[in-house]
Amino acid sequence: DQQVKQNSPSLSVQEGRISILNCDYTNSMFDYFLWYKKYPAEGPTFLISISSIKDKNEDGRFTVFLNKSAKHLSLHIVPSQPGDSAVYFCAASVKTSGTYKYIFGTGTRLKVLA
Amino acid sequence: EPEVTQTPSHQVTQMGQEVILRCVPISNHLYFYWYRQILGQKVEFLVSFYNNEISEKSEIFDDQFSVERPDGSNFTLKIRSTKLEDSAMYFCASSEPTSTPIFGPGTRLTVL
Repeated sequence: DQQVKQNSPSLSVQEGRISILNCDYTNSMFDYFLWYKKYPAEGPTFLISISSIKDKNEDGRFTVFLNKSAKHLSLHIVPSQPGDSAVYFCAASVKTSGTYKYIFGTGTRLKVLA
Repeated sequence: EPEVTQTPSHQVTQMGQEVILRCVPISNHLYFYWYRQILGQKVEFLVSFYNNEISEKSEIFDDQFSVERPDGSNFTLKIRSTKLEDSAMYFCASSEPTSTPIFGPGTRLTVL
C-alpha cells in the first residue's frame, strides 16, 4: 500500500532554473509533510516541512506547496544549483499510538546540470 | 550541532547470524525510529520507540527484529537470524515530540 508516491524517479534541470519535485499521498489523515534530501552514503537530511493547515511554506530557495484537496505537494527549488543534486524524499506523518509515524515516498533523483 | 550517530558504518555477516546495529540518538530526544533502504528503493519504516516501548511497527518488523534502549544513550536494532533480503542501509532517527526526525548516517548491512 503505497500511501506516499513520487511518480518521477528522476529529474534533470539546468543550473539557475526551477526544479519542481512532486509528491502525492492517499491518506487524508496525514497532517504534516516533510521533504528530505539524501546524498549517497549519507542519511536523509531534513529540508523543509509544511503543516496541513497551510498551503505554502518558504525557506530561502526552497518552497513547499500543499494542495490538500488534490492530496498533492510539491517542492520548488529556485534557482537550482549543482549542489542540489541529490535524491529528494517526501514524507508524510500521522500520529499513531502517541508517536508520529513517517511514511516516505520512493524518492526523486534530481540532477542539476552546470 | 547535535547529531545522531550509528555504528558500525558497514556490517558484513553470514546468513543466519545475529547482528546488532547501534545508534546514539540526540540526547534530549524522546522518540526513536529505525528505517531501512534496500539499494535503489524507498526508505521504509521499520519501528518507532517511545517511553521504553515500541509505539508502532511495520509488517517488515517481524519476530526476527527487536529494538532495545539498553542504557540512557544507545538505541539498538537486533536481527536474530539474518536473511539475504535483510541487506540494506539501516537508518536510525530521533526526534523531540514536535520536531522532525533527524537521521543518522546509516549502517550498511550486507548479508552473504
